[in-house]
Amino acid sequence: GAVVSQHPSRVICKSGTSVKIECRSLDFQATTMFWYRQFPKQSLMLMATSNEGSKATYEQGVEKDKFLINHASLTLSTLTVTSAHPEDSSFYICSAPEWREGNQPQHFGDGTRLSIL
Amino acid sequence: ELKVEQNPLFLSMQEGKNYTIYCNYSTTSDRLYWYRQDPGKSLESLFVLLSNGAVKQEGRLMASLDTKARLSTLHITAAVHDLSATYFCAVQETSGSRLTFGEGTQLTVNP
Repeated sequence: GAVVSQHPSRVICKSGTSVKIECRSLDFQATTMFWYRQFPKQSLMLMATSNEGSKATYEQGVEKDKFLINHASLTLSTLTVTSAHPEDSSFYICSAPEWREGNQPQHFGDGTRLSIL
Repeated sequence: ELKVEQNPLFLSMQEGKNYTIYCNYSTTSDRLYWYRQDPGKSLESLFVLLSNGAVKQEGRLMASLDTKARLSTLHITAAVHDLSATYFCAVQETSGSRLTFGEGTQLTVNP
């Protein structure tokens, strides 16, 4: 079964709306989570690293005031796309590494397809 | 800055044939992942390669890692249509757990 739950799976909304996406780790604690964006026919691009109890680390070129990240607990990170515009339409995917001795699987959520009209 | 390059980016092959996808990366790493992505879906984990010389196989797919050459391969044996998808390799930096993805290889297996 899924070890990372991401909601919602699809959002269609008007320009100017703010959209919140949740990413939950199930059955394990995630002090770090990652947020990616994927445009059609392209690879995944890391947007930011979400750190439990501290500020997120954003990649170069990603506006932190546009993409608000909150990681308030060991199992939940949220990404809020503020005042979304059509160019923000994309597939957003979160992931969480699970720390295990000798291994570290990276679990991905099912993704959120955001369409801004 | 870690760079990850895959080739080929597009691969069209006939059922029953064999082929290899290559993943090169630019800096030291000892952890490499292979993922599959179907259209409109998220990533499905295929393999995690943890050390030099690691080889893992699952069904018609086999992945290997050469950390000295900074190269991983994903070999497809006797391809079937169900393997049609986009395949990504991703490399984890030695410090931390962030991944850098390759561009992806779009595989189409024709009957």
